[in-house]
Amino acid sequence: GIQVEQSPPDLILQEGANSTLRCNFSDSVNNLQWFHQNPWGQLINLFYIPSGTKQNGRLSATTVATERYSLLYISSSQTTDSGVYFCAVLLAQGSARQLTFGSGTQLTVLP
Amino acid sequence: KAGVTQTPRYLIKTRGQQVTLSCSPISGHRSVSWYQQTPGQGLQFLFEYFSETQRNKGNFPGRFSGRQFSNSRSEMNVSTLELGDSALYLCASSWTSPGNEQFFGPGTRLTVL
Repeated sequence: GIQVEQSPPDLILQEGANSTLRCNFSDSVNNLQWFHQNPWGQLINLFYIPSGTKQNGRLSATTVATERYSLLYISSSQTTDSGVYFCAVLLAQGSARQLTFGSGTQLTVLP
Repeated sequence: KAGVTQTPRYLIKTRGQQVTLSCSPISGHRSVSWYQQTPGQGLQFLFEYFSETQRNKGNFPGRFSGRQFSNSRSEMNVSTLELGDSALYLCASSWTSPGNEQFFGPGTRLTVL
């Protein structure tokens, strides 16, 4: 099946710093989403971005589908940005119609 | 528009029992998927339903089953619970296909003693 690798696995920042999270995937996809898992476990949608670039406030994301990677940028980080960030993809072909998740990036923002 | 809701939020069961979890999708969404999250295995796909039909199933034993009702609400059932079934169970809804943007509920945290 498709492989999804996220890096780095852990990231510790001071408040106000910028960061880049990366997601590599091994096959063509027609769905790529970024999520933030809050402390209670809910996955919060950040971006639906199978290709291209999107921005939402301090967050932006870019997916280069031809090179099979996506980047999530967090600028001017805040303590509330702490948590686990997941990338999830869905294969463009085949019968497997489910999101495959990476193992996540644990982000800690220190005050 | 209300988000995806899941009930109950927390459950404690003992080995051998069975459990039923419920998921109500966003209004108008017809595809419902279920995922299991554990510290060791991460997020894994269980199954997906559309128009009361299971369209796709992950690699889980037959003790895990589900169904979808005509109003798109879905339930999943786990029979003969094992300690390893302790997990966060997440439900996601999308318009017609997992290829559309998926939205997750708050999850049901199941503890098996």
